[in-house]
Parts: sequence; structure tokens; C-alpha cells
Amino acid sequence: EAQVTQNPRYLITVTGKKLTVTCSQNMNHEYMSWYRQDPGLGLRQIYYSMNVEVTDKGDVPEGYKVSRKEKRNFPLILESPSPNQTSLYFCASRNSTGNTIYFGEGSWLTVV
Amino acid sequence: KQEVTQIPAALSVPEGENLVLNCSFTDSAIYNLQWFRQDPGKGLTSLLLIQSSQREQTSGRLNASLDKSSGRSTLYIAASQPGDSATYLCAVRHSGGSNYKLTFGKGTLLTVNP
Repeated sequence: EAQVTQNPRYLITVTGKKLTVTCSQNMNHEYMSWYRQDPGLGLRQIYYSMNVEVTDKGDVPEGYKVSRKEKRNFPLILESPSPNQTSLYFCASRNSTGNTIYFGEGSWLTVV
Repeated sequence: KQEVTQIPAALSVPEGENLVLNCSFTDSAIYNLQWFRQDPGKGLTSLLLIQSSQREQTSGRLNASLDKSSGRSTLYIAASQPGDSATYLCAVRHSGGSNYKLTFGKGTLLTVNP
């Protein structure tokens, strides 16, 4: 079954404590991306990756890092989380020629 | 900069009614447009995708149209059911050098009352 898997699904953390949200896809997709979803602002792209070792900033990259060492994984790193990063985060993937984009179930992150 | 607007923000209808959700975008240079469904606390599920060269796509009770020149798309839902209650999002994929990029609307929250 085609899947994009994110972990953790729910997390409450404290300001400044580094955390990583993992994302893994089993479809051998080249393209992966991270979004955050906030009330009144909709979905906004944080970072994307077009293939292994190829990443670039989206619309709201400040405070985030990513890496793409393997094709299937695309972790989102918050080096020093702040309360304004409290949000619902989605990972997504698609192949380079395909049109359908697959989303993970989302990760609810609260920074206190 | 591409902007995507969805109207209305919320819609409540009785079961069985046909309805239309609207999506507009400011830059007509798009690769495709996609409609998604999002259930509370869940991820997004792709419903229909229309390529920039197409006018419409259909899947079951859903029909999506695209008028690229006017920057508009509609999602038509026939004979609505309570199970259709969800947030519906449209997203445009940019063309050319930015075709990795998706811009989303803020969604329409649909409630279908039994």
C-alpha cells in the first residue's frame, strides 16, 4: 500500500529543545516536501526536495532544517523550537513525472 | 506571486443537494490544479486533478472544471451525503521552473446535514 508515514503524530515539547519529525515514503518517489497548516493561513510549504541530496526552501523555511540522505526519508528538524512553530505539519511525496501527491497523516506539534 | 482563493469558506447544505465549491487563482501559468479532501485531524486525500490543457475531470459524484484563462475552477458534488462533510482544498501546481511548487487555497468547510 502506498504510504507516507510521519512520526511522531503528536508531540508537546518545550522551547529550545531540538526535535526531529521523521517522514518516510514507500513509493520510490523523487520529490518530497514539508508543509505546515495553521488556522486562517492554510497550507504553506516549508522545504522541498527534488531528489537525494537536493533540497530547497519553500515559503516559510525560517527555523527549520531538512536533509535527504536517502530517497525514502525526509526528516524535518527544528533546532530550537519556538511557540510560533506550534502547528500541524504534513509531509508529502510524488514521483518526478507523476501528478498525484500523497500526504502523510500529519504531525501535531505544540511548543510551550 | 500566485494566490489561491476559495469561496465560500464554509457551506452547510441538507443531504441530497447538489453543490458547487469555487477556487480562483491569480496567475494562469499553471501546470495543473488539484482538489483535495481533508477530514478533521487527518491528512489530505487527492480527489481530482486537472491538467492545464484539460477542461474538466469526473470521478463518481464529483466533477471538477478548469477555466485557466479566467483563473477559476469549480468542484461540483452531486447528491451530497453526510459522509461528504470535510474541508475541501484546491491547489495549483506552478508551471515552468517552479513546477515543484504547490500553492493551496485555505479551503471550504462543507457540512452535509442528514
